Amino acid sequence: DTAVSQTPKYLVTQMGNDKSIKCEQNLGHDTMYWYKQDSKKFLKIMFSYNNKELIINETVPNRFSPKSPDKAHLNLHINSLELGDSAVYFCASSLGGTLYEQYFGPGTRLTVT
Amino acid sequence: SQQGEEDPQALSIQEGENATMNCSYKTSINNLQWYRQNSGRGLVHLILIRSNEREKHSGRLRVTLDTSKKSSSLLITASRAADTASYFCATSITGANSKLTFGKGITLSVRP
Repeated sequence: DTAVSQTPKYLVTQMGNDKSIKCEQNLGHDTMYWYKQDSKKFLKIMFSYNNKELIINETVPNRFSPKSPDKAHLNLHINSLELGDSAVYFCASSLGGTLYEQYFGPGTRLTVT
Repeated sequence: SQQGEEDPQALSIQEGENATMNCSYKTSINNLQWYRQNSGRGLVHLILIRSNEREKHSGRLRVTLDTSKKSSSLLITASRAADTASYFCATSITGANSKLTFGKGITLSVRP
């Protein structure tokens, strides 16, 4: 069974479009995260949710909106996509914040043309 | 600026050799974690070492932490071609809304 899954794995879209990435974890974790990894492999946190409550919102454009319908799911919606949004987006989860290891999904490679 | 910075940026060794990777950070931490990322995959957690620990082992992996020097090292012994990957250190800083801050990663190539 996949612990943290993301869909889709690849996403190619044009500038100005709106797209969503879905994430699900079956580990029973309380905390979920979205990270962005750029072309130089630099990994930066975007959002963190604990029990469906937003606890970290880094300096991310408000075109990015996370939604957590329940503890096991954290989706990322992106409006008006820009070229600079091209990256790999990772979902992750952990038992209770950063005191514990994080489990990462396989990533979604977003390409904006 | 980066909280965690790995050194070297790239490392190429022969199978069977040991690989040592270093990580330095700037502020006090709760814990430091090492992750591996194979090409095109998500990150996989390797070891978490807490600020009151000095050394941890897991199989062929050995991690040390020196809080006085604000540095950590990851040693992979008897490396294998399958160890070829990028390795990241990540630090957890104490405080509300604590988050993991990742370094830029080290690319390890193990030649068969």
